[in-house]
Amino acid sequence: DVKVTQSSRYLVKRTGEKVFLECVQDMDHENMFWYRQDPGLGLRLIYFSYDVKMKEKGDIPEGYSVSREKKERFSLILESASTNQTSMYLCATGQVQETQYFGPGTRLLVL
Amino acid sequence: GDSVTQMEGPVTLSEEAFLTINCTYTATGYPSLFWYVQYPGEGLQLLLKATKADDKGSNKGFEATYRKETTSFHLEKGSVQVSDSAVYFCALSETGWGGSEKLVFGKGTKLTVNP
Repeated sequence: DVKVTQSSRYLVKRTGEKVFLECVQDMDHENMFWYRQDPGLGLRLIYFSYDVKMKEKGDIPEGYSVSREKKERFSLILESASTNQTSMYLCATGQVQETQYFGPGTRLLVL
Repeated sequence: GDSVTQMEGPVTLSEEAFLTINCTYTATGYPSLFWYVQYPGEGLQLLLKATKADDKGSNKGFEATYRKETTSFHLEKGSVQVSDSAVYFCALSETGWGGSEKLVFGKGTKLTVNP
């Protein structure tokens, strides 16, 4: 089975803090994705990566950056957290033209 | 750009009732279509998918048919159980950079099944 793990299930941070969310997959997939999930808005794509050191902006990249130094690991960075970044963050991974597999999510609260 | 519209929730049903969750899409090209399910406190899991017109995806008693003429991919189940209570997301894939595929999601439909 594909395993996608996220570094934290719940996280509480203060406004202005730098926040790192990490995602690790064990299936050697090329593609990795970061989404945020908000009530009434569904899932929105923040960034994705189709190879090591490659990244592409999704639909809502503002206020976020990403890092992919190794194939199995994809990090989402909030440079200066703000209250409007309080959300559920979901990582996903997949091969080209195949299903995406999701991690359990990180629920982030920014105070 | 591509988009997915699914029926607003929440949907509340009694056990053994028939379920339909409507999903329509707009897309250039020929996307694959998916239904994902999210159980409370968990991430999303693929429920079923269809990759071309007239394909029927099925899993765990759920099914959906890719209808190109009506641009729809409605989810159905003949007899729901309490354990089907979850949020259901319809999605389509669009091919982007490097052959990677981005998913475009609907807003989700929360289903509650009462005993």
